[in-house]
Amino acid sequence: SYVLTQPPSVSVAPGQTAIIACGGSSVGSKSVHWYQLKPGQAPVLVVYDDRDRPSGIPERFSGSTSWNTATLTITTVEAGDEADYYCQVWDSGSDHYVFGTGTKVTVL
Amino acid sequence: EVQLVESGGGLVQRGGSLRLSCAASEFTFSDYWMSWVRLAPGRGLEWVANINRDGSERYYVDSVQGRFTISRDNAKNSLYLQINSLRAEDTAVYYCAKEGPAVTTHFDYWGQGTLVTVSS
Repeated sequence: SYVLTQPPSVSVAPGQTAIIACGGSSVGSKSVHWYQLKPGQAPVLVVYDDRDRPSGIPERFSGSTSWNTATLTITTVEAGDEADYYCQVWDSGSDHYVFGTGTKVTVL
Repeated sequence: EVQLVESGGGLVQRGGSLRLSCAASEFTFSDYWMSWVRLAPGRGLEWVANINRDGSERYYVDSVQGRFTISRDNAKNSLYLQINSLRAEDTAVYYCAKEGPAVTTHFDYWGQGTLVTVSS
């Protein structure tokens, strides 16, 4: 089955940039989406189709892809960005949705 | 604003059953595929099942195939998940998620989830 691997944690100081990687075989050939999860809240889509932002998501959130890695970048990090972040793709080989292993972003 | 409100979670013994519900509002429910996604303690998000617009197509992750059944009632704007033969590893928060417009592969709205706890 298709696997997406993320670093378990990323720590960043306020005002700095957080970079979250999502590795998978030929992930650059798929559409990658990113979600923000905070305890007790509904997950929020922050980037879809590799680099597009839903309305209401700040420009500080951006996405990019290369052949085997997708990346979520959060610039000028704020305390409110502290959350778990997951990448996600559709795996045509299994006809299943697949999520990454998740990354906890801690704002120092 | 799209709203998805899950209910039906609770504490259940191993081998037991539960029926989860998701009430949808502020969008044309019958126009969209819908999914259930779960978040287990100490584990990541896992897609569980989805269903097409009229309920004629259903897909499941292998670990729940034969035990879980997804269904919908478009007249009631509601999504359901019948979960049987519960196992400890089914303990999780279960989210109802709206899939994006046709030919997209993401979830654009989620509910706040309902907790299912399986006891031994």
